[in-house]
Amino acid sequence: GDSVTQMEGPVTLSEEAFLTINCTYTATGYPSLFWYVQYPGEGLQLLLKATKADDKGSNKGFEATYRKETTSFHLEKGSVQVSDSAVYFCALTGANSKLTFGKGITLSVRP
Amino acid sequence: DAGITQSPRHKVTETGTPVTLRCHQTENHRYMYWYRQDPGHGLRLIHYSYGVKDTDKGEVSDGYSVSRSKTEDFLLTLESATSSQTSVYFCAISEASGGAGTDTQYFGPGTRLTVL
Repeated sequence: GDSVTQMEGPVTLSEEAFLTINCTYTATGYPSLFWYVQYPGEGLQLLLKATKADDKGSNKGFEATYRKETTSFHLEKGSVQVSDSAVYFCALTGANSKLTFGKGITLSVRP
Repeated sequence: DAGITQSPRHKVTETGTPVTLRCHQTENHRYMYWYRQDPGHGLRLIHYSYGVKDTDKGEVSDGYSVSRSKTEDFLLTLESATSSQTSVYFCAISEASGGAGTDTQYFGPGTRLTVL
């Protein structure tokens, strides 16, 4: 079945540091790929998405590129802020159109 | 923000009691979903609905039932709550106009349920 693997956390960075959160997936066919963010005490919000190979999703300074050859969708940001502290989930929808989530990773950014 | 509300937001109950959680949307979206969030598991799909009175099971449906009698409301029922159902429950909606696989799901604020 479909699965999403995220790097182990938590991750702690200083403000203005470069961020990479790794995400790889297993799916049949051509999944759509998503990054969701959950701020403390809130529900999940879509951060960005890509629906076909080589697409780049971007939002709020975050970027991720759909790499079919490496089955990856790594999240990057050039300069993190304290306000980026949250839990980040990588997810996909595969042939069954259901959203499958990774386990999530907690990012803490210190001033 | 998508118009999704969940009620109650917090609930403490005892083992063996029935519990119903409500999700209400004002977006007229066709698809509605119930997930549970547990540490180390991310979010897992419990049940979903693709229209009024049309529902299907997700990954972790045992011990849960759902009903959707109106487009805007999707109810999740724990017939006899157990401690293993202590979790945070999220409702989500999607329009699925472009195919359910590509559409964004919008999430409600969550319900924290504790079963003692």
